[in-house]
Amino acid sequence: DAGITQSPRHKVTETGTPVTLRCHQTENHRYMYWYRQDPGHGLRLIHYSYGVKDTDKGEVSDGYSVSRSKTEDFLLTLESATSSQTSVYFCAISEGLAGWMNTGELFFGEGSRLTVL
Amino acid sequence: DAKTTQPTSMDCAEGRAANLPCNHSTISGNEYVYWYRQIHSQGPQYIIHGLKNNETNEMASLIITEDRKSSTLILPHATLRDTAVYYCIGPNAGGTSYGKLTFGQGTILTVHP
Repeated sequence: DAGITQSPRHKVTETGTPVTLRCHQTENHRYMYWYRQDPGHGLRLIHYSYGVKDTDKGEVSDGYSVSRSKTEDFLLTLESATSSQTSVYFCAISEGLAGWMNTGELFFGEGSRLTVL
Repeated sequence: DAKTTQPTSMDCAEGRAANLPCNHSTISGNEYVYWYRQIHSQGPQYIIHGLKNNETNEMASLIITEDRKSSTLILPHATLRDTAVYYCIGPNAGGTSYGKLTFGQGTILTVHP
């Protein structure tokens, strides 16, 4: 199994509080991703990173920020959590190829379940 | 983005082959087709991908039609542990798109004893 660790795995918080989810990898893969999964919407890309300090927005980035200061860590921050951000969050990693090419083979973590009351 | 179409659900008897279809009629010539699955509450798992030739690995086979407008994922001997949601992910995955995958609703495969 790919070495991906998400923390925390479960968190309950209140509306308006900041929350940070951490994704740690031991594979030295170039690409990292944050997805959220909700009933009726499937998996949606929030943000992704294509290298240290290189990040970009995905499909549903509003209300989220990310940082990647080291190859192995990709942090997802909710500056002020809202109930609509209650979801299961998945981190994924992928190996890069030459240039910006990508294998398309993503390895996913176990997920972090966030509940915002 | 081109889209994929899959049946909402399928059933299969344990030990039989499971054939999961996917339509990707707007795929362009250099776009891969990827298959992932998600077993309840777990993160999605990569299965296989292909461009235009049939592909096989230890998990499954992928048959892509000659016109590339559709494909079929084959699990040759389905087991109860293959019960999952199967996602066919078409265009805009891999290549120059930074590996950003767009997941649809997928097919719920239920394998029965």
